[in-house]
Amino acid sequence: GENVEQHPSTLSVQEGDSAVIKCTYSDSASNYFPWYKQELGKGPQLIIDIRSNVGEKKDQRIAVTLNKTAKHFSLHITETQPEDSAVYFCAAITFSSNTGKLIFGQGTTLQVKP
Amino acid sequence: NAGVMQNPRHLVRRRGQEARLRCSPMKGHSHVYWYRQLPEEGLKFMVYLQKENIIDESGMPKERFSAEFPKEGPSILRIQQVVRGDSAAYFCASSPQGRDQPQHFGDGTRLSIL
Repeated sequence: GENVEQHPSTLSVQEGDSAVIKCTYSDSASNYFPWYKQELGKGPQLIIDIRSNVGEKKDQRIAVTLNKTAKHFSLHITETQPEDSAVYFCAAITFSSNTGKLIFGQGTTLQVKP
Repeated sequence: NAGVMQNPRHLVRRRGQEARLRCSPMKGHSHVYWYRQLPEEGLKFMVYLQKENIIDESGMPKERFSAEFPKEGPSILRIQQVVRGDSAAYFCASSPQGRDQPQHFGDGTRLSIL
């Protein structure tokens, strides 16, 4: 079945450094890839997303890249700040199918040290 | 700024009781999704509903679990005869018309089974 693998499971960086989280997906029909940030006790918050007809998307300090051939997509956070500390989840979905099922990665706990 | 509203935020039940979790989607959203998150794990899809219709329930256990999204009122996830293994955070998400739209999550209901 569909599967999304996410690495690393934990990531610790110094404030101001960059952080990169990588995901691979198994279903070649997947065409939408959101990233969510989850803080303790809260629900996942959509921070950026990319559709399969685009290779890269940027929003201030956050960027996402997609390699459809390799079935990889990555989240890049530049100039990290302590408030970026949270659990980040990648996900994939096939919009053309008759389902709203987001397939999530296992999550990455990001710690930004001041 | 009415996001996805879930209640209760915390619910404690004894084994064998029933749990009812409620979700009000964002204004203008007619698609609702339920996910379950076990401790230290990612989110797992359970069910996708539109008003008065279940579109995809492939992630929902066949027994004891049911979901509805009536014409009026919130979506309800119902768990009958709860067991210890049902302890988890249950998240609801909603999206606007058309399933190819981003899903926005509520802050979840933490269900604890004694």
